[in-house]
Amino acid sequence: AQSVAQPEDQVNVAEGNPLTVKCTYSVSGNPYLFWYVQYPNRGLQFLLKYITGDNLVKGSYGFEAEFNKSQTSFHLKKPSALVSDSALYFCAVRDIRTGANNLFFGTGTRLTVIP
Amino acid sequence: GAGVSQSPSNKVTEKGKDVELRCDPISGHTALYWYRQSLGQGLEFLIYFQGNSAPDKSGLPSDRFSAERTGGSVSTLTIQRTQQEDSAVYLCASSSTMGGIYEQYFGPGTRLTVT
Repeated sequence: AQSVAQPEDQVNVAEGNPLTVKCTYSVSGNPYLFWYVQYPNRGLQFLLKYITGDNLVKGSYGFEAEFNKSQTSFHLKKPSALVSDSALYFCAVRDIRTGANNLFFGTGTRLTVIP
Repeated sequence: GAGVSQSPSNKVTEKGKDVELRCDPISGHTALYWYRQSLGQGLEFLIYFQGNSAPDKSGLPSDRFSAERTGGSVSTLTIQRTQQEDSAVYLCASSSTMGGIYEQYFGPGTRLTVT
């Protein structure tokens, strides 16, 4: 069985403050983890991925995520939030149920950065 | 370079009609995916094409759904006898699969409304 949990439907943060969007996972074997962002009326944009190597992964737009195997987490972080970061964020894992390398997504977290 | 493009951007159809949705992947990407994004189901994998291999159809919700990919490039997703529960945003993604697990790049989606 596999699962991806984004425990917060909504996260609000003041502009300039650090932000965290949480993701936990449950997969068999080594997880391949991804973060995507979706702006209104647009498709998903790739932010970053963890496949192997350093647990701290840096991605687009100043975002980073830390892979924590013991806590089965892959939280997305940014040191200083911008209003333009307001969007819907999805955590995803490679779907091990198929041979397709497709993504299995969490339910998404809506981030609002307050000016 | 050009990203993944999809057409139409919006489609309104009557229940029972057939619809075709088009996806143009990034040039050179051998893998192509279709996903569906709906309020009730979140993001779901539908079908996967890899080069000229037979597609992985494991995510298709019913036999009313089919897809083809011509010449290893453009793909068409066809929904026959549409139902109201088919209303969703249909997202196409492509990726390079040389050497491992790579991120997928998504198009803007086609918003399908079945009345």
